[in-house]
Amino acid sequence: GAGVSQSPRYKVAKRGQDVALRCDPISGHVSLFWYQQALGQGPEFLTYFQNEAQLDKSGLPSDRFFAERPEGSVSTLKIQRTQQEDSAVYLCASSLNVGARGNTIYFGEGSWLTVV
Amino acid sequence: AQRVTQPEKLLSVFKGAPVELKCNYSYSGSPELFWYVQYSRQRLQLLLRHISRESIKGFTADLNKGETSFHLKKPFAQEEDSAMYYCALNQGGSEKLVFGKGTKLTVNP
Repeated sequence: GAGVSQSPRYKVAKRGQDVALRCDPISGHVSLFWYQQALGQGPEFLTYFQNEAQLDKSGLPSDRFFAERPEGSVSTLKIQRTQQEDSAVYLCASSLNVGARGNTIYFGEGSWLTVV
Repeated sequence: AQRVTQPEKLLSVFKGAPVELKCNYSYSGSPELFWYVQYSRQRLQLLLRHISRESIKGFTADLNKGETSFHLKKPFAQEEDSAMYYCALNQGGSEKLVFGKGTKLTVNP
């Protein structure tokens, strides 16, 4: 595809339900990032992959959050036992080369999660 | 810890007027600074970065290390500039971008 693709675009989950958010980065992009954007806030870093290796997960807010990129392309962000404070837009981004520094990062349209 | 501050949540100007979106950062090393823009119903996209020293869509931004600022400027605003603007910072040795809370720019006809 032409850009980073995310699905589902919108998800309503009941509190306690598990959710899985999918990201298809731009083909051939080495780096993949997940960000969380709460209403009225800027995006906040969650985790970073270089190919299939998860090199930084310092932004994951709790052990209920888990991300994987097993074959170095598609990534899934899983949230277990969702809570209301998990309601946010989850942004996936990718870049051609390693890391954020000096590279152009391309964002997806986001997955809007509402926990009720 | 590194932090990015955008003091204005909302900024409204008239078409043709100059516009300046403020960004201040706290970081003691050599950061890389960016401006990202999100137009209505579109995805977040890179507008410009300080190391390129380029002008995109008439916008420029100069890194002032003394004032720890990276303000975004345009001499004559256009209606199509109306959007959400985010300042972001990347520190050396990290792969994350730290974003400000954003400024919503409205350019009135």
